Amino acid sequence: TQLLEQSPQFLSIQEGENLTVYCNSSSVFSSLQWYRQEPGEGPVLLVTVVTGGEVKKLKRLTFQFGDARKDSSLHITAAQPGDTGLYLCAGARAGGTSYGKLTFGQGTILTVHP
Amino acid sequence: NAGVTQTPKFQVLKTGQSMTLQCAQDMNHNSMYWYRQDPGMGLRLIYYSASEGTTDKGEVPNGYNVSRLNKREFSLRLESAAPSQTSVYFCASSDPNQPQHFGDGTRLSIL
Repeated sequence: TQLLEQSPQFLSIQEGENLTVYCNSSSVFSSLQWYRQEPGEGPVLLVTVVTGGEVKKLKRLTFQFGDARKDSSLHITAAQPGDTGLYLCAGARAGGTSYGKLTFGQGTILTVHP
Repeated sequence: NAGVTQTPKFQVLKTGQSMTLQCAQDMNHNSMYWYRQDPGMGLRLIYYSASEGTTDKGEVPNGYNVSRLNKREFSLRLESAAPSQTSVYFCASSDPNQPQHFGDGTRLSIL
């Protein structure tokens, strides 16, 4: 059972386009994290959102946590080839420590063409 | 800047062979984790150790055992490897309420 549904699974776009990746669940999470992973490497944390409705910006990346803390989105503005990679969302279940056992989404493979 | 170090990086086994994947962290973290990553499945937690001396099952523990040797090291053992255990294995570490730091993975193929 996949507790976190991430979509789309694949995204191929041209440089300069905007995109949004979604992470949805029927479960409530105490926090939700977004990671980026490059081939041959482990995931690297981009951001953590903790409060329902929270919005965080990291340069051209905007992360939002749903009001009910069941879903999140990652929006990239004016994508660049350097944004290419695997993006993963991961949730920490409510009631546990924020960074304890994580449940990961399936991942979104993003390819940005020059 | 070692962080989390995993060995080996690649391994090919035959069905039924045993093997231990090693993980060491130099950040003095209390908690350590083992995940497997399969296409279309994200990362799934195999076992974790909240602190030295404790280990607990994660989402997919069957076929694996772990040992928290000391605060730095957390090993994952496959006693009798099966083709279904072909995967990329990641070790991670963290302190409570802090982000997890991942190693670069061990790519394991079982024939």
